[in-house]
Amino acid sequence: SQTIHQWPATLVQPVGSPLSLECTVEGTSNPNLYWYRQAAGRGLQLLFYSVGIGQISSEVPQNLSASRPQDRQFILSSKKLLLSDSGFYLCAWSTIRGMSAFFGQGTRLTVV
Amino acid sequence: AQSVTQLGSHVSVSEGALVLLRCNYSSSVPPYLFWYVQYPNQGLQLLLKYTSAATLVKGINGFEAEFKKSETSFHLTKPSAHMSDAAEYFCAVSDRGAGTASKLTFGTGTRLQVTL
Repeated sequence: SQTIHQWPATLVQPVGSPLSLECTVEGTSNPNLYWYRQAAGRGLQLLFYSVGIGQISSEVPQNLSASRPQDRQFILSSKKLLLSDSGFYLCAWSTIRGMSAFFGQGTRLTVV
Repeated sequence: AQSVTQLGSHVSVSEGALVLLRCNYSSSVPPYLFWYVQYPNQGLQLLLKYTSAATLVKGINGFEAEFKKSETSFHLTKPSAHMSDAAEYFCAVSDRGAGTASKLTFGTGTRLQVTL
């Protein structure tokens, strides 16, 4: 069966520090991968998606970037965090046809 | 462009009462529709999905939803609420990207409270 791992679960970082969140998927090949952000009291916003290694699409302009160095690995990064980057970050995967998306457990990022 | 509107950011029901969470969608093509549940500080779990087969979709934990094209709705129901149903529920629509990533657009969520 397929599983998705996301870490760390919680993170507190100072403003201006770098960020690296990692997500890996097991039990499937060539998944579509996604990063979502959930701000307090709001819905989920799609940040990035990827249909293959090295292929990244950005949905919203922001202070973050994403990379996909391996088929089942998706990384969310920032060179310098802002207070507004605080939130709950969720990684997800889907099959190519995308009939369902499956989510990781999320990372709670607090920028102080 | 697609969108989803969830009416009511908070819904409170008594244990054993009917649960009704409302979702209306807007899509220029026949949509895929989803309901997800989120427990505190956890990821989203898929409850059910509509992908153009039967219009009444049954999901996990006794939930079901009915796709009504004429009303552009996909409301989530459960006949009898249980305390364990207390969570946040998200409706989502997919753009059915052919051969590319199918991106989900989420509603803002409905927090369900279940009281004794």
